[in-house]
Amino acid sequence: AQSVTQLDSHVSVSEGTPVLLRCNYSSSYSPSLFWYVQHPNKGLQLLLKYTSAATLVKGINGFEAEFKKSETSFHLTKPSAHMSDAAEYFCVFYTGGFKTIFGAGTRLFVKA
Amino acid sequence: NAGVTQTPKFQVLKTGQSMTLQCAQDMNHEYMSWYRQDPGMGLRLIHYSVGAGITDQGEVPNGYNVSRSTTEDFPLRLLSAAPSQTSVYFCASSYGTTGELFFGEGSRLTVL
Repeated sequence: AQSVTQLDSHVSVSEGTPVLLRCNYSSSYSPSLFWYVQHPNKGLQLLLKYTSAATLVKGINGFEAEFKKSETSFHLTKPSAHMSDAAEYFCVFYTGGFKTIFGAGTRLFVKA
Repeated sequence: NAGVTQTPKFQVLKTGQSMTLQCAQDMNHEYMSWYRQDPGMGLRLIHYSVGAGITDQGEVPNGYNVSRSTTEDFPLRLLSAAPSQTSVYFCASSYGTTGELFFGEGSRLTVL
C-alpha cells in the first residue's frame, strides 16, 4: 500500500539555523512527491515537486528536497531559517489517476 | 488571475441546517476536489471530479454532496450539518495528471 509519513509533528529552530523536515514514503514504484506550505489561515502553496527528473529538487524561498530511493525518504531542507518560514508543511504523495495522499503535516516554529 | 476562489471564508451553522460551499477556478483545469483539514490529520479527500458531469467519492464522503455542471464550478453541499463537520474545507484543482494541486484559501465551518 502507498503511504507517506511525516516523522515530526512539530519542529522548532532558531532564526538563521538549518531546517530539516522529514518525510518517508512507501511505494512499490517510483513516486511523484511534493512539499506544500500552509501559512496561518491560508491555502496550501506548492514548494517543490519530485517527478524523477533529478533527485535533488530546488523549490521556492530557498527550500530544497532530496529524493533517496534507498531510504524511501524525501526530506525538506533549508540552510538558514527565516521568521517568515514559520508555517505548516505537508509532504504529499501523488499515486496517479488523480489520487493524492497527504502526510499529517509538520508545524515549523522559528525563534528569534 | 484569480486561481481558485472559495466562498464563504467563514460560516456558522446550527445542527441540521444545510448550506453550500462554493468553489470556482479560472484556469480551465479538468480536475477539482474538496478536502477537509482537521488538526493532526492532514487533508482528507471528500469528493473529486475529473471533468464536467463526472464526480466520485473520496476518503470521507458521508454527509456531503457535489455536482459539476461546468468546468469552472464545483460546489460542496452539506444537506444536514452535524458538529462532526466542523472543519476547514479546501477546494483544489489541477491540470492533466501532473498531481500538482492549486488550492483556494479555505472555508472555515463551525456547526453548533
